[in-house]
Amino acid sequence: KNQVEQSPQSLIILEGKNCTLQCNYTVSPFSNLRWYKQDTGRGPVSLTIMTFSENTKSNGRYTATLDADTKQSSLHITASQLSDSASYICVVSPAYNTDKLIFGTGTRLQVFP
Amino acid sequence: GAVVSQHPSRVICKSGTSVKIECRSLDFQATTMFWYRQFPKQSLMLMATSNEGSKATYEQGVEKDKFLINHASLTLSTLTVTSAHPEDSSFYICSARAEPTDTQYFGPGTRLTVL
Repeated sequence: KNQVEQSPQSLIILEGKNCTLQCNYTVSPFSNLRWYKQDTGRGPVSLTIMTFSENTKSNGRYTATLDADTKQSSLHITASQLSDSASYICVVSPAYNTDKLIFGTGTRLQVFP
Repeated sequence: GAVVSQHPSRVICKSGTSVKIECRSLDFQATTMFWYRQFPKQSLMLMATSNEGSKATYEQGVEKDKFLINHASLTLSTLTVTSAHPEDSSFYICSARAEPTDTQYFGPGTRLTVL
């Protein structure tokens, strides 16, 4: 069982709509949790980073939340744009080894006009 | 800041040949760099941790003699895929840790296709 699971696996929305991606993790304790955006054929780009004591972090139209009690995180995208089409990856950095990032399976988002 | 580059961005080679991929941290020094491999529709899998001036640490199941890593300077790590075979075809991504933080910045990736 993957220590970081994401849902849905894929998502299709219309341009301008909002969406929320989910991440459930079992990694504990952890140093931080990040959300990355990965365009097809490109490396991941960091969107947000939260430590275990933070509840929310925003970056433009991206807002991440973290509930350390339920071990859940979400990424909310507001007013989606065509350029938001990408894979979104939840990544947890375990406290016992912050270099050994644990990657979620990703959510493939497609935004259509 | 914190830009990581990779070269080449894509390479096609014949089976049995060796391919070298470079990873550079452009505006910061990185004692530690990481090499990942990503197959289609899968997540990144850590192959090895590259340490400047010392031997790389390989993950279980990754052949060190097949994937040679050299971290000769604080801004450059190279991955050489030796005697490449079609099953080595994949997307290879490096990252560099921006010290003193533990933040890894990822390169744009290298698409390797072995014919």
